[in-house]
Amino acid sequence: NAGVTQTPKFRILKIGQSMTLQCTQDMNHNYMYWYRQDPGMGLKLIYYSVGAGITDKGEVPNGYNVSRSTTEDFPLRLELAAPSQTSVYFCASSYFPDYIEQFFGPGTRLTVL
Amino acid sequence: DQQVKQNSPSLSVQEGRISILNCDYTNSMFDYFLWYKKYPAEGPTFLISISSIKDKNEDGRFTVFLNKSAKHLSLHIVPSQPGDSAVYFCAASKNTGNQFYFGTGTSLTVIP
Repeated sequence: NAGVTQTPKFRILKIGQSMTLQCTQDMNHNYMYWYRQDPGMGLKLIYYSVGAGITDKGEVPNGYNVSRSTTEDFPLRLELAAPSQTSVYFCASSYFPDYIEQFFGPGTRLTVL
Repeated sequence: DQQVKQNSPSLSVQEGRISILNCDYTNSMFDYFLWYKKYPAEGPTFLISISSIKDKNEDGRFTVFLNKSAKHLSLHIVPSQPGDSAVYFCAASKNTGNQFYFGTGTSLTVIP
C-alpha cells in the first residue's frame, strides 16, 4: 500500500494564480481531510469528506474548494492565491468509526509570492 | 481560540531516561485524545490514543495518561531513544470523525 500520496511536494505561486493540490489514498478509507500547518502552529482543518460526493467545511475553509468524486481522490483547489495561503498542506484519511486515527500524506509546501 | 495547547515548544532528554510531553485542553466534550509523531518533511504518524472513558493507555514504550478533572493529558516515553527525536502533536476529537483539534507541537530531542 502506498497509503496517502500528495502531489506536488513543493510549489511557488504568484498572487492571484490558481492551483489544485492532489491527494490519493489506496486504503479504501471513507473519511478524507485537508489540513494546513502554519509555522509554529498546529494543524487546522480546511475541509473534510465522509464519502464520495459528500464534503463539508472545517475550521478554515475560506479561499479553498474541494470535491470528492471517488473514494480514492480528494483534490484541494486554491482560487486566487494570496500570501496568507503560504503554508504546508496535509491530506489525511481515516476509516471512521472503526478507527479514530488518521493517516497523513507527506505534505505539500506552498509559497505564494 | 486554541482548544488544545502544548505549552512546551521543546524538550531535551538523555537516552534511556523518561520523556514526558504534556497537553492541555479546554473542551470537556472531547471523546478521544491522540498523539502523533512528525519527522521533518514528512506527514504526522499516529502513535497512541486514549478514550475519554479511560485514564491510561499503554503501547510498548509509550503510555498516555488522561486527567479529565484537570483537562490534561501526558505522553510518557520510557526508555527514550535517539530515534524518538521528532515533533509530537497532541490532538483531541469528538466522536464524529470530522472534528480534530491539534496542539502546536513539542519538539523532543533525545541526546545519545
